[in-house]
Amino acid sequence: KQEVTQIPAALSVPEGENLVLNCSFTDSAIYNLQWFRQDPGKGLTSLLLIQSSQREQTSGRLNASLDKSSGRSTLYIAASQPGDSATYLCAVLDQAGTALFFGKGTTLSVSS
Amino acid sequence: KAGVTQTPRYLIKTRGQQVTLSCSPISGHRSVSWYQQTPGQGLQFLFEYFSETQRNKGNFPGRFSGRQFSNSRSEMNVSTLELGDSALYLCASSQGTSGEQFFGPGTRLTVL
Repeated sequence: KQEVTQIPAALSVPEGENLVLNCSFTDSAIYNLQWFRQDPGKGLTSLLLIQSSQREQTSGRLNASLDKSSGRSTLYIAASQPGDSATYLCAVLDQAGTALFFGKGTTLSVSS
Repeated sequence: KAGVTQTPRYLIKTRGQQVTLSCSPISGHRSVSWYQQTPGQGLQFLFEYFSETQRNKGNFPGRFSGRQFSNSRSEMNVSTLELGDSALYLCASSQGTSGEQFFGPGTRLTVL
């Protein structure tokens, strides 16, 4: 069964810092990997999607990498802002493309 | 383009009752999947439908069921509610080849 782990569970940084969130998964047979953001009590917002054949994706201040063979992904956030405060979730889509397996998330707090 | 919509947004039920939640996917999306989010277990996959057929089911008891209609709208039903069914229920839709999942705002179910 696919297991997804995210480290750290929580992170507090001052505004302007660059930071890295880590995600690991046990089964490399995946369709893709997605990073999501969740604000308290809300649904999930898709941030970045990396197909299994890709190594990285970038969107604005966000950059995500994927090393499928080692079962790892990182989300890099540049020049963090208070508005980045949220829970960040990593999820892998099974090879059939039908089910997402989620990590427990990293709760980020950026202070001004 | 309108996003994924879920109704109702909030529900309060008592133990033993049943509940039906509804999800309307993004126009043109034929895959709809359902997830349960709780503080202890995080996000867990319930089931996925594509063109009215259930293609995958997570590890949940038979009290949890779903269906998809010809217009891709989906419903999930939980019978004989238990206190532990209190959760945020999220629906996601996907178009196809990229596998990118888009989530709705969720339905918050409270079982008393």
